[in-house]
Amino acid sequence: EIVMTQSPATLSVSPGERITLSCRASQTVSTRLAWYQQKPGQVPRLLIYGASARATGVPDRFSGGGSGTEFTLIISSLQAEDFAAYYCQQYNDWPLTFGGGTKVEIK
Amino acid sequence: EVQLVESGGGLIQRGANLRLSCAASGFTFSSYAMTWVRQTPGGGLEWLSSISESGSNTQNSDSVKGRFIISRDNSKNTLYLDMHSLRDDDTAVYYCAKFAITGWTRLSAIFDPWGQGTLVTVSP
Repeated sequence: EIVMTQSPATLSVSPGERITLSCRASQTVSTRLAWYQQKPGQVPRLLIYGASARATGVPDRFSGGGSGTEFTLIISSLQAEDFAAYYCQQYNDWPLTFGGGTKVEIK
Repeated sequence: EVQLVESGGGLIQRGANLRLSCAASGFTFSSYAMTWVRQTPGGGLEWLSSISESGSNTQNSDSVKGRFIISRDNSKNTLYLDMHSLRDDDTAVYYCAKFAITGWTRLSAIFDPWGQGTLVTVSP
């Protein structure tokens, strides 16, 4: 099983800041990596797939990058509505696996 | 608009069985693979099972293999998860989700959208 490790677990930031979330795979997943956002009390929402392609309706302040085993999700200027948990998921191999998540909270 | 509505959750005794349902609308259900994912009280997401468009192929997590069975009824636009011998650590919110793109391969296993979830609580 491919283990996905996200860091940090929690990130305390101020609105307007640029942040970088990391996701590491225990073995290569090529670019078969998705990111999901989950706001408090809501269901997960697809943000990024193919490591860098934004899903429909996702603002361009969100950008994904990386390949192989190292991936990043960058939010260029954090908005109030971006405070949420973010999860990465690999779909290069079965079983599909998620990272433990990064919670982005207001400083 | 794509809608996925789960039902069947609730308070259940350890060792019991439960069937979850996911009613789909707003898209051609038989054209998309579907999946179940659960979210534990600690917040982590765990993929459980996926099923192909026709229902003839499935993939399952080792953690629930043999206890949970995914199925679908395309005539009813409904996805199911039959859970057997429930344990305390099965307590979670259970989501169904649609594969974002057509095709039954791991390469299309991107989930969009997700249903609102149904809470399963296993009591001792």
